[in-house]
Amino acid sequence: EAAVTQSPRSKVAVTGGKVTLSCHQTNNHDYMYWYRQDTGHGLRLIHYSYVADSTEKGDIPDGYKASRPSQENFSLILELASLSQTAVYFCASKGQTYEQYFGPGTRLTVL
Amino acid sequence: GDSVTQTEGLVTLTEGLPVMLNCTYQTIYSNPFLFWYVQHLNESPRLLLKSFTDNKRTEHQGFHATLHKSSSSFHLQKSSAQLSDSALYYCALSESNNRIFFGDGTQLVVKP
Repeated sequence: EAAVTQSPRSKVAVTGGKVTLSCHQTNNHDYMYWYRQDTGHGLRLIHYSYVADSTEKGDIPDGYKASRPSQENFSLILELASLSQTAVYFCASKGQTYEQYFGPGTRLTVL
Repeated sequence: GDSVTQTEGLVTLTEGLPVMLNCTYQTIYSNPFLFWYVQHLNESPRLLLKSFTDNKRTEHQGFHATLHKSSSSFHLQKSSAQLSDSALYYCALSESNNRIFFGDGTQLVVKP
């Protein structure tokens, strides 16, 4: 089974600060995704990538940047964190099948 | 664009009763993949069911669903709910190998 890890697992950030969420997968998957989860909105796609050094915008990219320095690693960057970015963030990876494997999530609180 | 609709935000039922969670979708693609993901409390979503074959029932862990392209539906069913079925259920759609579209989710609460 795919192994996707995320760090940190939880974080408290201050408004206007920079936040970096990291994701690492060990199963040689090409595709990686960042979602945020909010009650009532389900899972919303922020950014995704299908190859190292390239990222694509998802449905809600504003306020977020992504970086894919290698096949294994995919980061989500909040340059200026805002209260509205308080949420749970999930990373996922996918190989050649359609199934996505999710990491354990990062709970981000912006104060 | 592609979208998935789950009409119920919350479904509450008694243990032993049947479960049916609704899912309809919109896509211009003629051969979509449909999925159900389940997320238990404080866990991450995981795949429960998937299908791309019209009118064929797919089953896993006591749950089943049938993709009906004529009605653009992929409802999730189970004959008898268990307490352990309480979770958040997402219906999802993929029309390519790049990404999938998730519905807003249905929270299932099973009471004794």
